[in-house]
Amino acid sequence: DGGITQSPKYLFRKEGQNVTLSCEQNLNHDAMYWYRQDPGQGLRLIYYSQIVNDFQKGDIAEGYSVSREKKESFPLTVTSAQKNPTAFYLCASSIAAGRAGELFFGEGSRLTVL
Amino acid sequence: AQRVTQPEKLLSVFKGAPVELKCNYSYSGSPELFWYVQYSRQRLQLLLRHISRESIKGFTADLNKGETSFHLKKPFAQEEDSAMYYCALFNQAGTALIFGKGTTLSVSS
Repeated sequence: DGGITQSPKYLFRKEGQNVTLSCEQNLNHDAMYWYRQDPGQGLRLIYYSQIVNDFQKGDIAEGYSVSREKKESFPLTVTSAQKNPTAFYLCASSIAAGRAGELFFGEGSRLTVL
Repeated sequence: AQRVTQPEKLLSVFKGAPVELKCNYSYSGSPELFWYVQYSRQRLQLLLRHISRESIKGFTADLNKGETSFHLKKPFAQEEDSAMYYCALFNQAGTALIFGKGTTLSVSS
């Protein structure tokens, strides 16, 4: 079954803890993205990666970190420095960064900080 | 600065009525614009892009550079059109999409 898989679907975290959200794709896409979705805020870009071992900050990168060691994987770490981490996180991929128009999205991960 | 504005949070219409979801943008140069849709319990997915000038599920969108708009239209709404709709714009570098805040379309009978 081809596509993008995010895990876990739901995650609870205590304040002060780091947490890592997984994103895996088997579409052989070069580019991958992390967005944060909040009610009334739409989707805001956190980080994106055009190619393995390279990534760029999006509009709201503070308090987050990523890595891109493999083409198919783009994990997002929400650090304790993120002031308001409770949100719905969406991972996406596209064939290439220059063709970012058609994004394929995962089902999302909902993070709740207690 | 590049920006996408969707002025309506919620749009409620009756089945069979025309629909227009508004999208305005701010961009230097020639923009590339898209509409994405998220149906209940489904993934966010591409609906249409301005460059292909296609009609998907009866929806069309025309880029109006003079008014910096890319409104989504459908002449006769169906209940299955109820969803969250996002307008999106390529960033200046052409490497990622910038999304608007979204409009929820509710179609009732």
